[in-house]
Amino acid sequence: GESVGLHLPTLSVQEGDNSIINCAYSNSASDYFIWYKQESGKGPQFIIDIRSNMDKRQGQRVTVLLNKTVKHLSLQIAATQPGDSAVYFCAEGGSGGGADGLTFGKGTHLIIQP
Amino acid sequence: ETGVTQSPTHLIKTRGQQVTLRCSSQSGHNTVSWYQQALGQGPQFIFQYYREEENGRGNFPPRFSGLQFPNYSSELNVNALELDDSALYLCASSLDPWTSYNSPLHFGNGTRLTVT
Repeated sequence: GESVGLHLPTLSVQEGDNSIINCAYSNSASDYFIWYKQESGKGPQFIIDIRSNMDKRQGQRVTVLLNKTVKHLSLQIAATQPGDSAVYFCAEGGSGGGADGLTFGKGTHLIIQP
Repeated sequence: ETGVTQSPTHLIKTRGQQVTLRCSSQSGHNTVSWYQQALGQGPQFIFQYYREEENGRGNFPPRFSGLQFPNYSSELNVNALELDDSALYLCASSLDPWTSYNSPLHFGNGTRLTVT
């Protein structure tokens, strides 16, 4: 099975509400986690990342939370906008560094309701 | 700052043929990685190139090969194409091979390969 996965394939939220996208991982040796946003016809766009020595990191309108005890990662988007509509992927990097590549989940499609 | 650029954007090939895809890394990035993304799936790691050598590889057969040039640009070559090779091929560059806060992967928009 996949090392990284997401709980929901589709998430629908009202414009202006906060969105929470969840991700579970199984490799306890992973020490780097990253979120990407992919719009139709485009490549994945970097959102935010976090290392395993932290449990929270904030960016502009986004927060990533890492719970190593239950191997859970989440992305919170504040005040969701129509431009946030996309597929969101979490990915993990192994302890071997970038040469091992990132392992991606299948993605969650975020749909913004007007 | 110039982002990651890939060419061509779309390509149609016949089973058994060979294909070469090209990538220019983001300005200042010396490491290039290639990923395959099947429809409805997340990207899968093919390999990474650093200092013109393959630095790491995912679970892909030897008919997937690559090159990196002194200007850090890269090629992905696939021989003996199979129908299952139809996918979006993504190139990503980073500042160095070690994933870190200073070196996240930045992706191009990919090449859509269709094998018939």
